[in-house]
Amino acid sequence: DVKVTQSSRYLVKRTGEKVFLECVQDMDHENMFWYRQDPGLGLRLIYFSYDVKMKEKGDIPEGYSVSREKKERFSLILESASTNQTSMYLCASSFVVSNTEAFFGQGTRLTVV
Amino acid sequence: AQSVTQLGSHVSVSEGALVLLRCNYSSSVPPYLFWYVQYPNQGLQLLLKYTTGATLVKGINGFEAEFKKSETSFHLTKPSAHMSDAAEYFCAVRNQGAQKLVFGQGTRLTINP
Repeated sequence: DVKVTQSSRYLVKRTGEKVFLECVQDMDHENMFWYRQDPGLGLRLIYFSYDVKMKEKGDIPEGYSVSREKKERFSLILESASTNQTSMYLCASSFVVSNTEAFFGQGTRLTVV
Repeated sequence: AQSVTQLGSHVSVSEGALVLLRCNYSSSVPPYLFWYVQYPNQGLQLLLKYTTGATLVKGINGFEAEFKKSETSFHLTKPSAHMSDAAEYFCAVRNQGAQKLVFGQGTRLTINP
């Protein structure tokens, strides 16, 4: 059974804290993605990575950074959390072949207080 | 740039009634097309996809979708709604040769007893 695993389901952090969201996939996918999901706005791409140490900005990269040191792991970093980053964060992975789907993790609901 | 429009952010049907969720994409070159479902506090799960071949695609849980190139549409249907179908549904597209999925805004489906 294929798996994308996010390290936390729920997180509560304080404003100004540095926050790490971790994602691991076991499908040997080249691509990994971080999305943010907010009511009425659908899924918005924050960053994606198509190879180890490679990354590209998505639609809303401001306030975020990412790290991909190993193929199976993709981390999202909030350098200084703010209340407007309270959201559901979804990690996904896919093969580079474009007729294939993405597989999603269970999501991390982050609350910044 | 590719965009995806889901008509209706909220659809409500009675149990046993037809479910129709609409999705249109913008590009002139047909992309690869996907429907995902999201249950509360969960990640996204693939319902079905169209990549090539037969334009009527069957998915899990009795859902199907038809690709209509002339209408740039990929509407999702189910003949008879069940209470368990209550969820949020996302249409997504991936352009040929591209790495990123582009999502619609989502449609929340409510089933009335």
